[in-house]
Amino acid sequence: DAKTTQPPSMDCAEGRAANLPCNHSTISGNEYVYWYRQIHSQGPQYIIHGLKNNETNEMASLIITEDRKSSTLILPHATLRDTAVYYCIARRYGNKLVFGAGTILRVKS
Amino acid sequence: GAGVSQTPSNKVTEKGKYVELRCDPISGHTALYWYRQSLGQGPEFLIYFQGTGAADDSGLPNDRFFAVRPEGSVSTLKIQRTERGDSAVYLCASSLGTSGGEETQYFGPGTRLLVL
Repeated sequence: DAKTTQPPSMDCAEGRAANLPCNHSTISGNEYVYWYRQIHSQGPQYIIHGLKNNETNEMASLIITEDRKSSTLILPHATLRDTAVYYCIARRYGNKLVFGAGTILRVKS
Repeated sequence: GAGVSQTPSNKVTEKGKYVELRCDPISGHTALYWYRQSLGQGPEFLIYFQGTGAADDSGLPNDRFFAVRPEGSVSTLKIQRTERGDSAVYLCASSLGTSGGEETQYFGPGTRLLVL
């Protein structure tokens, strides 16, 4: 699976959009971009995934660049409960998830 | 239950002892994964089951670690002769399948193992 690079930490004001970037410049054509988050002392929570089209669900939006070398996870109206470690993973179907260090998102009031 | 459950939630044992950690996947999920998470790090893959068989056990650190899933549902991770370095959170995940939109993994809350 391709390596992903994320900033170690980010801050966001409550109520504002949180935009979390991820670089995956070596991603191959059959690898999906997955986002998970992990709130303190809990198991990872699935957020969203996509291949090349932008995706949106009730939790977030995923914007993937046309060349697929990077993506952005958008939490449209961040709340204090969104404070967590966010993991961006490039993965082929059926494969294990390879987690990096992720981005610590701190939402502040 | 609606999600993946793991028991016990916490386990304290002494060095050299044997432990078993249990995972109940989401009903109907055919694939089951075990991961281990050390403090301050992301989860690391241990083993993956498709049905009853281990499809990939490349992440097991050594032969003290073993996992089974005899009936294709519940899985048990077994650690023999525990060492202090085995202390971590052990996470289980399951997915409906492994292809065609069925591959999203859903995680349980984990078992926190402390080896004294």
